[in-house]
Amino acid sequence: EAAVTQSPRSKVAVTGGKVTLSCHQTNNHDYMYWYRQDTGHGLRLIHYSYVADSTEKGDIPDGYKASRPSQENFSLILELASLSQTAVYFCASSFTSNSDYTFGSGTRLLVI
Amino acid sequence: GDSVTQTEGQVALSEEDFLTIHCNYSASGYPTLFWYVQYPGEGPQLLFRASRDKEKGSSRGFEATYDKGTTSFHLRKASVQESDSAVYYCALSAPNNRIFFGDGTQLVVKP
Repeated sequence: EAAVTQSPRSKVAVTGGKVTLSCHQTNNHDYMYWYRQDTGHGLRLIHYSYVADSTEKGDIPDGYKASRPSQENFSLILELASLSQTAVYFCASSFTSNSDYTFGSGTRLLVI
Repeated sequence: GDSVTQTEGQVALSEEDFLTIHCNYSASGYPTLFWYVQYPGEGPQLLFRASRDKEKGSSRGFEATYDKGTTSFHLRKASVQESDSAVYYCALSAPNNRIFFGDGTQLVVKP
């Protein structure tokens, strides 16, 4: 069954440390996305990609980098984690930019 | 720019109550409109979509009608159950553009 798998499911990171969140999809989708979810803010787009080896900035890219080494894999990188980056992060994929999104189950990140 | 507004941040109901969650959008032309649902501990999942004026989307007893005149896509269900407790997101996408999500509405249904 086609799916979006995120790892880890949860993580505790120290302030100033490097954090990498991983996402793998088996949907054969070209588009992949990283969102963060905070209470009261819904889903906010951080970075997205429509082809391997290329990434685009979303609405809130500051403090985050993204990497798309292959069609199936999309990573979110926090080079210097900060307290304000405590949130739940969701990866999603889609066939085209405006077709249905398939979301992963999320990664709960706590920065201390 | 394209945007979606959900009026209610939280809705609290009892089982068998009627549900309405309001969604209004701003976009040029005919965007595709979506409702996504997110259950606790899971990612959002598509509930249904509509692409044309007056088209009704429906799934699991929920329904919404695309209304270009009032730029709305309100979610309704005649009789909610405790298992419907979740966060509901209205969203839109214009052709060749990404999906824009509303801020979400937390539905709490008491037994």
